[in-house]
Amino acid sequence: DAGITQSPRHKVTETGTPVTLRCHQTENHRYMYWYRQDPGHGLRLIHYSYGVKDTDKGEVSDGYSVSRSKTEDFLLTLESATSSQTSVYFCAISGGSGRNYEQYFGPGTRLTVT
Amino acid sequence: KNEVEQSPQNLTAQEGEFITINCSYSVGISALHWLQQHPGGGIVSLFMLSSGKKKHGRLIATINIQEKHSSLHITASHPRDSAVYICAVDSGGGADGLTFGKGTHLIIQP
Repeated sequence: DAGITQSPRHKVTETGTPVTLRCHQTENHRYMYWYRQDPGHGLRLIHYSYGVKDTDKGEVSDGYSVSRSKTEDFLLTLESATSSQTSVYFCAISGGSGRNYEQYFGPGTRLTVT
Repeated sequence: KNEVEQSPQNLTAQEGEFITINCSYSVGISALHWLQQHPGGGIVSLFMLSSGKKKHGRLIATINIQEKHSSLHITASHPRDSAVYICAVDSGGGADGLTFGKGTHLIIQP
């Protein structure tokens, strides 16, 4: 399995508080992604990164920001959490050797906003 | 925006049966991924393919680019194959993230 960790694995927070989720990889993959998974919607792309300090928006980016200051870390921030952001968040990586774009997923973070 | 449809949404079968899960998409792609998610949440990549057919153990994935359609087959199904199978497409050449189907919930009964 690819070395991807997410922290925290579970978090309960109150509406209006800031929250940061961390994705850490030890594989030196170039591309990193944040997805959210919700019943009835499946997985959807929030933001992605194609290198250090290079990020772009995905399908459901409103209310989220990201940062990537090192190859191995990709942070997802909810500036002011809302109940609609209750979800399971998955980080993924790709772009290993050559043009291998197979995606490897982290274990997920279950976030509850009360 | 690529629309990804999977069928069936739910499938219950008996151990040993041949299983087929279908995926169709609306816009041309650079690659299609099949993923597996067991209860408890972990997502594992099964296949990434852009043409033809791939086989890994009892799993076979095929894709028809002209018809914008892919199938995942499981031969000699086993209860441990019970999981959600997710089809996802890469429309952007490899780096821009995936668009996912809603998944097929498969239960294999002993």
